[in-house]
Amino acid sequence: AQKITQTQPGMFVQEKEAVTLDCTYDTSDQSYGLFWYKQPSSGEMIFLIYQGSYDEQNATEGRYSLNFQKARKSANLVISASQLGDSAMYFCAMREGKENRDDKIIFGKGTRLHILP
Amino acid sequence: ETGVTQTPRHLVMGMTNKKSLKCEQHLGHNAMYWYKQSAKKPLELMFVYSLEERVENNSVPSRFSPECPNSSHLFLHLHTLQPEDSALYLCASSQDLRGPGYEQYFGPGTRLTVT
Repeated sequence: AQKITQTQPGMFVQEKEAVTLDCTYDTSDQSYGLFWYKQPSSGEMIFLIYQGSYDEQNATEGRYSLNFQKARKSANLVISASQLGDSAMYFCAMREGKENRDDKIIFGKGTRLHILP
Repeated sequence: ETGVTQTPRHLVMGMTNKKSLKCEQHLGHNAMYWYKQSAKKPLELMFVYSLEERVENNSVPSRFSPECPNSSHLFLHLHTLQPEDSALYLCASSQDLRGPGYEQYFGPGTRLTVT
């Protein structure tokens, strides 16, 4: 079973509109971390935002916010006031935090976001 | 500006060639990773190093051989590759392996084409 599911392979959004990228995850751990990365056409993976499983408030970083719904195992990325430079591939990822084994980050398949002028 | 650099950025090699990919991190991190990103596939973790020791090898064929001479450098030695090995190879580092909050910082990747 997939650990990270991103159901939107591609999205087209008008510039200046808000965007929500979906991500659901599957884990039995109590302690875990959720991440979003942006990958422009240049290939580099850029870390955007992090949410810990015990964080009570949704994470925010500038125009990025993470809509964390723990009971639904959902960690959607919200981009406010989208810009042309936001066009990229976006990956949701999870790091599970069991102490008796080494952790690794698991990535979803990604969502390609196109911002239209 | 990223603290993780990769060279070369693009590489074209024949199936009988031997080449190496280089990754260097300037962040003082203890863990380094190699990922493979093929078209339309999730990122695939290949190797994990922690304090210069390999801690994970995700069933990667032996034609890929990693080397971590110190905590700042990571190499991926390539030999007798197949066309299906053509992909973007990404290097990443993190402060440590443990704990859910240790995000990974990625390099720009090497775009590899095997002819």
